[in-house]
Amino acid sequence: DVKVTQSSRYLVKRTGEKVFLECVQDMDHENMFWYRQDPGLGLRLIYFSYDVKMKEKGDIPEGYSVSREKKERFSLILESASTNQTSMYLCASTQTGAYNEQFFGPGTRLTVL
Amino acid sequence: EDKVVQSPLSLVVHEGDTVTLNCSYEVTNFRSLLWYKQEKKAPTFLFMLTSSGIEKKSGRLSSILDKKELFSILNITATQTGDSAVYLCAVGPFNSGGSNYKLTFGKGTLLTVNP
Repeated sequence: DVKVTQSSRYLVKRTGEKVFLECVQDMDHENMFWYRQDPGLGLRLIYFSYDVKMKEKGDIPEGYSVSREKKERFSLILESASTNQTSMYLCASTQTGAYNEQFFGPGTRLTVL
Repeated sequence: EDKVVQSPLSLVVHEGDTVTLNCSYEVTNFRSLLWYKQEKKAPTFLFMLTSSGIEKKSGRLSSILDKKELFSILNITATQTGDSAVYLCAVGPFNSGGSNYKLTFGKGTLLTVNP
């Protein structure tokens, strides 16, 4: 079974802190994604990566950056957390050649105070 | 810009009812439409549709795609309380390069099944 894991299920940070969210997949997938999910807004793509060290902006990249140094790991970085970044963050992965089916991690609920 | 619209946004039914969830889309170079179920955790995959008129079925759930009218429906028959969840629809385009695997999601339909 595909397994996507995220470093924390719940995280509480203070405004201005640097925050790292980690995602690891064990199926050798080339493509990895970070979404945020908010009530009434659905899933919105923040960044994605289609290869090691390759990244592309999604629909809402402002205030975020990413890092992909190894194929299995994709990190989301909040350089200076703000209260409007309080959200559920979901990581997903998919292999090249698949018809877009993405496998999701359990999510990290981030609260910024 | 790719767009996915789901309706209704929320729905309350009684156990045993049949429900139909709708998903309409606008996407350049359509490749696939996917349905996910999300309870209080990560979305789990239900169906992937790529061809018009071919019904996909899994137990009490079924789905079909109409590429001419640009929509899909997800049917759930004999609903159970365990079907209560947010149902997400997503479309994937066929693009060249790295963005080939992006999905655009709708806002979801919140289904509540009461006993």
